[in-house]
Amino acid sequence: AQSVTQLDSQVPVFEEAPVELRCNYSSSVSVYLFWYVQYPNQGLQLLLKYLSGSTLVKSINGFEAEFNKSQTSFHLRKPSVHISDTAEYFCAVTPGGYNKLIFGAGTRLAVHP
Amino acid sequence: GAGVSQSPSNKVTEKGKDVELRCDPISGHTALYWYRQSLGQGLEFLIYFQGNSAPDKSGLPSDRFSAERTGGSVSTLTIQRTQQEDSAVYLCASSFPNQPQHFGDGTRLSIL
Repeated sequence: AQSVTQLDSQVPVFEEAPVELRCNYSSSVSVYLFWYVQYPNQGLQLLLKYLSGSTLVKSINGFEAEFNKSQTSFHLRKPSVHISDTAEYFCAVTPGGYNKLIFGAGTRLAVHP
Repeated sequence: GAGVSQSPSNKVTEKGKDVELRCDPISGHTALYWYRQSLGQGLEFLIYFQGNSAPDKSGLPSDRFSAERTGGSVSTLTIQRTQQEDSAVYLCASSFPNQPQHFGDGTRLSIL
């Protein structure tokens, strides 16, 4: 069975500071890895994904995540956050290709001025 | 273009009543998923439809939950004899084969 652990339920940070949201997974088969973002009263939006190839993946709004197979991690980072980045972030995996998503518990990122 | 549409956006009902939640996927998407988001359980997979294949129902929590997808498009999630623990946000997602899922804004279900 697969599982996803997001180690921090809440991360407060000041505007323009760097941030890292941690994600570890467990799986006996290869997985695809995803980060989704959820703004209040909205559905989930795909932020970025790792399928294969380069282990560093980047989004258009400055986030990046690095797949580390030996540590079974897929941490999300941003060098300088904005107030508008305040949201809940979910790490997820799909076992063996595109399939049902298995989510972590989520990390609430709160950016303060 | 139009995204995944879910209705109603909010539903309040009394314990013991049946409810139907609707999902209109993005046109052409053959895969359709239902998830439940609740405070205690986080985001949980419920059911997955892919084309004409038999659906993956492995996430349905009890036999009070069922879903169907008519004509390979619209899907309805039905909860019979609702209980207070069914209160949650029900999210629908759709995708092309081997592509990431796109989510609707969800239906917030409250059981009194």
